[in-house]
Amino acid sequence: DTEVTQTPKHLVMGMTNKKSLKCEQHMGHRAMYWYKQKAKKPPELMFVYSYEKLSINESVPSRFSPECPNSSLLNLHLHALQPEDSALYLCASSQTLAGGYIQYFGAGTRLSVL
Amino acid sequence: AQKITQTQPGMFVQEKEAVTLDCTYDTSDPSYGLFWYKQPSSGEMIFLIYQGSYDQQNATEGRYSLNFQKARKSANLVISASQLGDSAMYFCAMRLPVEYGNKLVFGAGTILRVKS
Repeated sequence: DTEVTQTPKHLVMGMTNKKSLKCEQHMGHRAMYWYKQKAKKPPELMFVYSYEKLSINESVPSRFSPECPNSSLLNLHLHALQPEDSALYLCASSQTLAGGYIQYFGAGTRLSVL
Repeated sequence: AQKITQTQPGMFVQEKEAVTLDCTYDTSDPSYGLFWYKQPSSGEMIFLIYQGSYDQQNATEGRYSLNFQKARKSANLVISASQLGDSAMYFCAMRLPVEYGNKLVFGAGTILRVKS
């Protein structure tokens, strides 16, 4: 089973709202990722977690706050977003950060910021 | 700098025929991995096939094969016996070294349309 589950599938929020995206995997993977994908563009890496610790932050604005409460769960907390943050947010996981391991993606959360 | 180039914005193929999607890459690191993902309109990124830089043989997974030409720095995806369900966006990606967080660098993608 290579399933990564993301909830919600769709989210509409105002610029003053606080919301969270959730990502879950039960494959025993110890590396988890958040990507942002604008329409008709490739995904862009936002954050990398390794063994529940933040490993990489690709200079993402502080209105995006990641959290990895345990090895199976990855959250992305959203606050005071801008309309340009509307995008598909993809979560992925891999065995570890070591080379050769496949990153498996979830179906994504389509976010609209009004 | 590591870079992936997909030069075909869109491709058409007749059902049951084979199609090749092009991918070239640029890296100075001797150890790297190349991936192909399929993204239907639903949004999910589906892993298709992987090729490591030290792998001697071309990777194959069912109807998918990767034509790896190291000297030319190309990693083309070949889909045999196309099906209507193969219509999707296809991304070629390269894995950066561990010190870069196992980051995937993606190409711009190729939209494949299978005609009946």
